[in-house]
Amino acid sequence: DAGVIQSPRHEVTEMGQEVTLRCKPISGHDYLFWYRQTMMRGLELLIYFNNNVPIDDSGMPEDRFSAKMPNASFSTLKIQPSEPRDSAVYFCASSFGQGTYNSPLHFGNGTRLTVT
Amino acid sequence: LAKTTQPISMDSYEGQEVNITCSHNNIATNDYITWYQQFPSQGPRFIIQGYKTKVTNEVASLFIPADRKSSTLSLPRVSLSDTAVYYCLVGPYGQNFVFGPGTRLSVLP
Repeated sequence: DAGVIQSPRHEVTEMGQEVTLRCKPISGHDYLFWYRQTMMRGLELLIYFNNNVPIDDSGMPEDRFSAKMPNASFSTLKIQPSEPRDSAVYFCASSFGQGTYNSPLHFGNGTRLTVT
Repeated sequence: LAKTTQPISMDSYEGQEVNITCSHNNIATNDYITWYQQFPSQGPRFIIQGYKTKVTNEVASLFIPADRKSSTLSLPRVSLSDTAVYYCLVGPYGQNFVFGPGTRLSVLP
């Protein structure tokens, strides 16, 4: 398997623009997670899905952020409008069966977002 | 979720054994301990997981004392490529995905 695939790897945009980050989880995985990483705040969990349904979005910073998972093989994280403080590396991760032993998270290589 | 405490950073030299200890005094009966490794510009990668006693795989060993209030990740004979951030996560099945600040390990030549 190719692992978790994120696109784009890098995104540079201007303040106020809409940004869409994409994630393809590992085939067969039923959990999908979106994280944000910055030097100041570390690795923060934003939202996670189980079987395409959002379970916990309490980490989403504000209404400018939204995430969708229309099917088992695709998810998006959208920021509209973007602000400079949204600059960070955004990671997507997937796993199979969080309720079972040794079900680790598999991370993508992230999208580095820069908002000027 | 159980709160975890790890050293912020550690230095070591190539060829040495490195032990990183994570404290989790309020670990619950159904909590498991999971360690991840993160290299620069990459997402975290699963290393090892355990519940009690000792677990060993091809990468590391995990030592968990009987009271389970701490755990130690042991990396044998580290190399420069082991320079990374190491995260200790504690939580029950279905909730073990909240990351703390981790331990930044620097391996020196």
